[in-house]
Amino acid sequence: EPEVTQTPSHQVTQMGQEVILRCVPISNHLYFYWYRQILGQKVEFLVSFYNNEISEKSEIFDDQFSVERPDGSNFTLKIRSTKLEDSAMYFCAGQGLAAQETQYFGPGTRLLVL
Amino acid sequence: AQKVTQAQTEISVVEKEDVTLDCVYETRDTTYYLFWYKQPPSGELVFLIRRNSFDEQNEISGRYSWNFQKSTSSFNFTITASQVVDSAVYFCALVVHRDDKIIFGKGTRLHILP
Repeated sequence: EPEVTQTPSHQVTQMGQEVILRCVPISNHLYFYWYRQILGQKVEFLVSFYNNEISEKSEIFDDQFSVERPDGSNFTLKIRSTKLEDSAMYFCAGQGLAAQETQYFGPGTRLLVL
Repeated sequence: AQKVTQAQTEISVVEKEDVTLDCVYETRDTTYYLFWYKQPPSGELVFLIRRNSFDEQNEISGRYSWNFQKSTSSFNFTITASQVVDSAVYFCALVVHRDDKIIFGKGTRLHILP
């Protein structure tokens, strides 16, 4: 059964450094998302991406964040200058052809900013 | 605005007991979708069920059952004859038709004691 994959599974970085989190969605998915979960808290929406552009973003998704799908398979989340409060689990999700279909999540990348 | 409330922060039951996880949602949209996701200790988000607002039929899948009641805006989840492997955080979630981001509740941490 196809699944969403994410790399790396864990990343430790210094404050102010750039990080890129990578996701490979299921091949026939067209809608892509990033969510984050600060330790012990609920999962929060960051951004949705469709047809090679951002369709919606949350207040969390400020100028430090960017997303792209450079090669038609990978879907990346870049944080330009990490802050301590960016430490969280980051989940990628994908959704099929029809809007409001079920979103399937990757295993997550646990980011720790020191 | 949309909101999902999971009033039970943490529940502990002894193995083989039945347990119900409560979920109350808020939305003014008439078309919406409700979900339950499971987050085991390993951290990934596992899709369990999706329900659309026009389908109030309850569903049973093995030991899992879901009770959707529009009159009380609730979508409760029952595990029958619980097992230790059911120990996880369970998230109830909502997507409204004019949007595609998932609104998650804060989750209920379920401990199944042997």
